[in-house]
Amino acid sequence: GENVEQHPSTLSVQEGDSAVIKCTYSDSASNYFPWYKQELGKGPQLIIDIRSNVGEKKDQRIAVTLNKTAKHFSLHITETQPEDSAVYFCAASGNQFYFGTGTSLTVIP
Amino acid sequence: GAVVSQHPSRVICKSGTSVKIECRSLDFQATTMFWYRQFPKQSLMLMATSNEGSKATYEQGVEKDKFLINHASLTLSTLTVTSAHPEDSSFYICSAEDRDRGADTQYFGPGTRLTVL
Repeated sequence: GENVEQHPSTLSVQEGDSAVIKCTYSDSASNYFPWYKQELGKGPQLIIDIRSNVGEKKDQRIAVTLNKTAKHFSLHITETQPEDSAVYFCAASGNQFYFGTGTSLTVIP
Repeated sequence: GAVVSQHPSRVICKSGTSVKIECRSLDFQATTMFWYRQFPKQSLMLMATSNEGSKATYEQGVEKDKFLINHASLTLSTLTVTSAHPEDSSFYICSAEDRDRGADTQYFGPGTRLTVL
């Protein structure tokens, strides 16, 4: 089955700096890669996604890159703000949907 | 994005009772919904896939007689935790697949915190 690894598990950045979270997957059949933001006590919120026919996608301060050859994809948050603090999950979907283990991001004011 | 609601948001029940959690897609139709369980500081664990008009598909190790799933319409799936015990206490989250936005696109509900005394 699929194995999605996510790093780092925790990340602290100064407000205004960039944050990068990386995920790798093992199943070459995976073709959809969403990222979710989960605040404490709430459900995950889809923030950006990318499909295998695209290498990069950007939405304001958030961008995702995908390297299908290397089987890894990354979330980039620029100009971080305290409200970006949350747990972020990557996921890979092909035959099934698999979540990464999560990254707890803290943006220090 | 698409909106998924869950009800109740929190529930406390006595051991041995049953609890029903509702998951609704508010502005789209979802032929497929998913039920997850999440323990503190951990990732989401898929419990079952719910397909409208058919039986749910349960993941290995999930008791289908304990976690009853009904997906009676294109906008509603329910999870009933039967004969709940303290070890069933957890955060339960549903998601709904919005195929109009692309295959596999899942939108999550806000979750239900279940505490079994």
